[in-house]
Amino acid sequence: QVTLKESGPGMLQPSKTLSLTCSFSGFSLSTSGMVVSWIRQPSGKSLEWLAAIDWDGDKYYNPSLKSRLTVSKDTSNTQVFLKITSVDIADTATYYCARRRLGFDYWGQGVMVTVSS
Amino acid sequence: DIQMTQSPASLSASLGETVTIECRASEDIYSNLAWYQQKPGNSPQLLIYDANSLADGVPSRFSGSGSGTQYSLKINSLQSEDVASYFCQQYNNYPNTFGAGTKLELK
Repeated sequence: QVTLKESGPGMLQPSKTLSLTCSFSGFSLSTSGMVVSWIRQPSGKSLEWLAAIDWDGDKYYNPSLKSRLTVSKDTSNTQVFLKITSVDIADTATYYCARRRLGFDYWGQGVMVTVSS
Repeated sequence: DIQMTQSPASLSASLGETVTIECRASEDIYSNLAWYQQKPGNSPQLLIYDANSLADGVPSRFSGSGSGTQYSLKINSLQSEDVASYFCQQYNNYPNTFGAGTKLELK
């Protein structure tokens, strides 16, 4: 059974660094073709793809945020991480991780992050 | 970046009706397109991948079609549980990009 679950701080202050963790089970990120992506969604708005890491360790970023994003994975291939530096109010959103195999076929429940002073 | 233009932004339809949502890509995405359904408070759920392949467990009243830059999602015989927002997404290139969404309501 494939599951993904995001975790994060819930709330943080502007200019801080947001650290998110995607813990998953039921598949291996080392399997050829496997990708885990991060996507966010401000309340009432559409989805914005942020970053991805694939089975080979290659990393991909949204150019509009690239300088602020870092995606990584753990050596056991059971967790993927996302860091966003210098957050501001515009980064307030629900953050999802999702597995890409045939489309984004499994998503986590999302973690709501509020940036506020 | 590939821009995904989705229409309409909102749609009101009656039970049993057939509805169509369209997505246009700013360049050829070679059928690397997915459709997602999202209900309030829930994560998006995959409906269609590779433009026309039905995801596991998705009712057959959902179908996808298209090629090149033009794609569509069709829902036959609309059910009450289909009230949701729908998003298209291209995964041909990074950054993967989503359409702005279509909010489907019952008339």
